[in-house]
Amino acid sequence: QVQVVESGGGVVQPGRSLRLSCAASGFTFSSYGMHWVRQAPGKGLEWVAVIWYDGSKKYYAESVKGRVTISRDNSKNTLFLQMNTLRAEDTAVYYCATWGSAWSIDNWGQGTLVTVSS
Amino acid sequence: QTVVTQEPSFSVSPGGTVTLTCGLSSGSVSASHYPSWYQQTPGQPPRTLIYSTNTRSSGVPDRFSGSIVGNKAALTITGAQADDESDFFCVLYMGSGSFVFGTGTKVTVL
Repeated sequence: QVQVVESGGGVVQPGRSLRLSCAASGFTFSSYGMHWVRQAPGKGLEWVAVIWYDGSKKYYAESVKGRVTISRDNSKNTLFLQMNTLRAEDTAVYYCATWGSAWSIDNWGQGTLVTVSS
Repeated sequence: QTVVTQEPSFSVSPGGTVTLTCGLSSGSVSASHYPSWYQQTPGQPPRTLIYSTNTRSSGVPDRFSGSIVGNKAALTITGAQADDESDFFCVLYMGSGSFVFGTGTKVTVL
C-alpha cells in the first residue's frame, strides 16, 4: 500500500538549518508530484511546497520562500525539505503527501515535529 | 496575501445535516480552484475526503458531498455520525503551483 514516512525532525536553535526526509513506498514515486504541509501546535494546516514528479518545477508558500528548498531523489524514492534560517514560527509538524487527483493532496504521512527553540 | 475562510465551528445533531463553506477573501471560488476537503482528528494526519469540488476519495462514505454554493465551495455532511466529530479543512489551487488551506472548521456532533 501507499506509504510515506517523514523523518529528520527535532529541536533546533533559531537561525540554524534542518533537513527533513520523506521515504516513499508502495507506489511509483517518480510518477508523482509531492507536497510538504505543516501544522503549528494547535493551529490549522499550511501548505509549504510542491515539487513536480521529475523535479522540474518547485513552488513555495510565501511564508517560506527563500528559506526552504524542496527536492527529491527518484532513485531512492525520497523527498526532502531543506529548511534554513529557522524561526520560532517554523515550529510545526511537517507532513509529506503525494499529489492527489485533480490538484488535491493525498496519502499523508504521520508527520515529523520540528521545534525551533533556544 | 490570499486568505481562504471557513466557519470556525459548527455543531450538528447525530443524524443531522451540516454544510461547511470555503470562501476567498477576495473573489469567488470556482471549479477552476479544484476545491478539495480534508478531515483531521486530534493527533492524526489529515484524510482526503473530496477533490475537484465534488469527487469523493476512495473509501469515503457517501454522506460526505462537495459542491459550489454561490461563491464558495461547500462540504455537506448528511446524516452526521459521532465519529464525524473532527476538524475539516479545504484547499484551493490558486494557480502557478500555489495551494492555500482554509482556516478550518471544528465540527461537534452532539
